[in-house]
Amino acid sequence: GAGVSQSPSNKVTEKGKDVELRCDPISGHTALYWYRQSLGQGLEFLIYFQGNSAPDKSGLPSDRFSAERTGGSVSTLTIQRTQQEDSAVYLCASSPVSGGGYYGYTFGSGTRLTVV
Amino acid sequence: AQSVTQLGSHVSVSEGALVLLRCNYSSSVPPYLFWYVQYPNQGLQLLLKYTSAATLVKGINDFEAEFKKSETSFHLTKPSAHMSDAAEYFCAVSDQTGANNLFFGTGTRLTVIP
Repeated sequence: GAGVSQSPSNKVTEKGKDVELRCDPISGHTALYWYRQSLGQGLEFLIYFQGNSAPDKSGLPSDRFSAERTGGSVSTLTIQRTQQEDSAVYLCASSPVSGGGYYGYTFGSGTRLTVV
Repeated sequence: AQSVTQLGSHVSVSEGALVLLRCNYSSSVPPYLFWYVQYPNQGLQLLLKYTSAATLVKGINDFEAEFKKSETSFHLTKPSAHMSDAAEYFCAVSDQTGANNLFFGTGTRLTVIP
């Protein structure tokens, strides 16, 4: 697609429920990143996918968080048993093959998650 | 390891005044440097980037930034602030070894006063 698409744009869920956030990167971009932006905070790296390589999961805050990327394209970030501290904006970004550090990332508009 | 420090989480300027947003980086290797802007309820948009060509980089909306190796800085400036410049600005760094990850600062919120 023309840009990075994220859905839903807003999600309100009850504490303890599972949620799935979707990211559709720019066509042809093989690198995909998830970040979390909490209120008043910077960007917290969560996970990075590059092609068919094993993802870099070093930023996932707990084992309640997981992500997958099917067919090298669409990615889903899953949060199990949501907690109130999970409330944040979840941003997805993509970049050309091996080029994120040079070209920079293209970001989606984010999913605002509110856990009540 | 790479990191950036953005001095001042909030900056206020009057409309028409100079905008200066500060970014200092830490990198053991020559860096690539980026400035992103985030308007309310939107994702981040690339403003400009330094990739070891000219040290003075011009971006969109009359923003520019100068890479100063001696000061390990990459401050963002704009000669005359517009109301539409009100947003959050993020500085980011990666290294020139080909690594893909960008490391972001904590952001500076710019307010423009009429």
